[in-house]
Amino acid sequence: SYELTQPPSVSVSPGQTARITCSGDALPKQYAYWYQQKPGQAPVVVIYKDSERPSGIPERFSGSSSGTTLTLTISGVQAEDEADYYCQSADSSVTYVVFGGGTKLTVL
Amino acid sequence: QITLKESGPTLVKPTQTLTLTCTFSGFSLSTSGVGVGWIRQPPGKALEWLALIYWDDDKRYSPSLKSRLTITKDTSKNQVVLTMTNMDPVDTATYYCAHRPGDGGKPGYFDLWGRGTLVTVSS
Repeated sequence: SYELTQPPSVSVSPGQTARITCSGDALPKQYAYWYQQKPGQAPVVVIYKDSERPSGIPERFSGSSSGTTLTLTISGVQAEDEADYYCQSADSSVTYVVFGGGTKLTVL
Repeated sequence: QITLKESGPTLVKPTQTLTLTCTFSGFSLSTSGVGVGWIRQPPGKALEWLALIYWDDDKRYSPSLKSRLTITKDTSKNQVVLTMTNMDPVDTATYYCAHRPGDGGKPGYFDLWGRGTLVTVSS
């Protein structure tokens, strides 16, 4: 079955830029989404349709896509951004939903 | 304001069937484009999508779990029910239901989630 691949962890210091990638063969053909999940909480969407930011999500969160790789960029990382981040998309036949394995962002 | 809440047993025995109900408010599952999905998360592990039902009764299932899952909706009660057969300890997880917004093509994404319910599978 189709898979999305994320690095298990990313670490950055406060104020730096964090980049979290997600790779998958069908990504050039499908929209992708990013979720933030803090411990004990439900996920929250931070990017939809590759690069759109929902209302209420800080401007420091941005999304981009290039070929088979998505990137979630968090500029000027803050301590409150420490969380797990998941990408989500669909298979190439647009039949089912797929989540990436998640990336733990640590703010040093 | 959209809200979703999961309900069901907290403990099931191996081989039993799990039935979870998602009760929602603030939207209607008869509105074009709208859907409700189920996602689970084993303790300390990643999110795993299970199923999704749309306003037009189109149903989608995870390929790896399709044989064990059934998703249905009751539009009049604002509820979506997920059943999973032949439960196993590896199915222990927090089960979330989530709202799929009406914009964009299928399958889409989930913009609002319930708090989740922890289901433990143990004898």
